[in-house]
Amino acid sequence: DTGVSQNPRHKITKRGQNVTFRCDPISEHNRLYWYRQTLGQGPEFLTYFQNEAQLEKSRLLSDRFSAERPKGSFSTLEIQRTEQGDSAMYLCASSLGGISPEAFFGQGTRLTVV
Amino acid sequence: AQSVTQPDIHITVSEGASLELRCNYSYGATPYLFWYVQSPGQGLQLLLKYFSGDTLVQGIKGFEAEFKRSQSSFNLRKPSVHWSDAAEYFCALHGETSGSRLTFGEGTQLTVNP
Repeated sequence: DTGVSQNPRHKITKRGQNVTFRCDPISEHNRLYWYRQTLGQGPEFLTYFQNEAQLEKSRLLSDRFSAERPKGSFSTLEIQRTEQGDSAMYLCASSLGGISPEAFFGQGTRLTVV
Repeated sequence: AQSVTQPDIHITVSEGASLELRCNYSYGATPYLFWYVQSPGQGLQLLLKYFSGDTLVQGIKGFEAEFKRSQSSFNLRKPSVHWSDAAEYFCALHGETSGSRLTFGEGTQLTVNP
């Protein structure tokens, strides 16, 4: 069991640059989620995929954010024209869904925008 | 609307003492409830979950939690805390009407004194 894998673990970028994060879910899990966590807060939901379909997006996900899950396997989260307010931990999780809704999280990607 | 409240931002206990972390939720029906633990700079690890049935659930690392519908609570307990339990603890709710998202509380930071 390799668990949920996220890359990179840390990213420092200059304001205005684009960044992309990758998440590899647990292989048999068809649901994949992205959350954002700022210091001292609990994770906040960003978006959710069922296989390759993006079924739900939070209003936190501005038009600078885009997520994809081609072929229902790994997922990418891209942030365009980064702002200092985007600095946070970006967490990916996956689940089987249905009668097993518990989500398993990756180690996260820590983004710092300078 | 659904929400999770963790009234205690920070708790300090001595090693070997008992522990109770509080969690209250607001949801129109019986939700799925979870406790996660997060060490600094890491992702979230699932401690335990409640779906239905027995209201006292056992988890990993000697933790347990009790679901009390009348109090809308799901408090986490451990009879004897170890220094390695120092971490941040998050209570989370998954409701059938909320899509597939988890709603998290703001977390309780646990410090363990030797």
